[in-house]
Amino acid sequence: AQSVTQLDSQVPVFEEAPVELRCNYSSSVSVYLFWYVQYPNQGLQLLLKYLSGSTLVKGINGFEAEFNKSQTSFHLRKPSVHISDTAEYFCAVSDRNRGSTLGRLYFGRGTQLTVWP
Amino acid sequence: DAGITQSPRYKITETGRQVTLMCHQTWSHSYMFWYRQDLGHGLRLIYYSAAADITDKGEVPDGYVVSRSKTENFPLTLESATRSQTSVYFCASSVLGQGDEQYFGPGTRLTVT
Repeated sequence: AQSVTQLDSQVPVFEEAPVELRCNYSSSVSVYLFWYVQYPNQGLQLLLKYLSGSTLVKGINGFEAEFNKSQTSFHLRKPSVHISDTAEYFCAVSDRNRGSTLGRLYFGRGTQLTVWP
Repeated sequence: DAGITQSPRYKITETGRQVTLMCHQTWSHSYMFWYRQDLGHGLRLIYYSAAADITDKGEVPDGYVVSRSKTENFPLTLESATRSQTSVYFCASSVLGQGDEQYFGPGTRLTVT
């Protein structure tokens, strides 16, 4: 089973500043990696995903994440945040070590990003 | 383009009552999921379904019952609600399974008094 750790439960930042939300997972077996965003009073929506290929993944709203296999990390970054980026962000990891089937999805506990004017 | 909908959006019920949360998706996705979201716990999987009439337990199934007679519907029933089941419940769907991109509904906020 995977364990997904989001190292910061809350990240406050000023508008137009850069931000990094950190995510580490426990197992070094082949994985799929996801970042989801949840705006207030809404469900989660996919921000970006890593399945294979380039370790730098670009997502919606100017976010990107980098897969680092040796450090088992998948940190989310944005060079300049907006107030509208205020939301909770969830990292999720899926095992893919069960042949051709996709495994379970494990969520981190979330990071609340608050952008101040 | 309705996507995935949940009803009701808000529900208050009393301890011991039965309550059913509805989930409907218009994409014909094979997989559907129920999660609960609680402060400090993130999302926890309650039940999931791989297809009509195929369901399986997730991390926290106790006190919940699901059914899936049609691909598009996946209701979640609390047979005898308890205060510990006060939570926000999310339904989700995906094409290929748990490890695939999931599409979430807007959630149901349930309060058990």
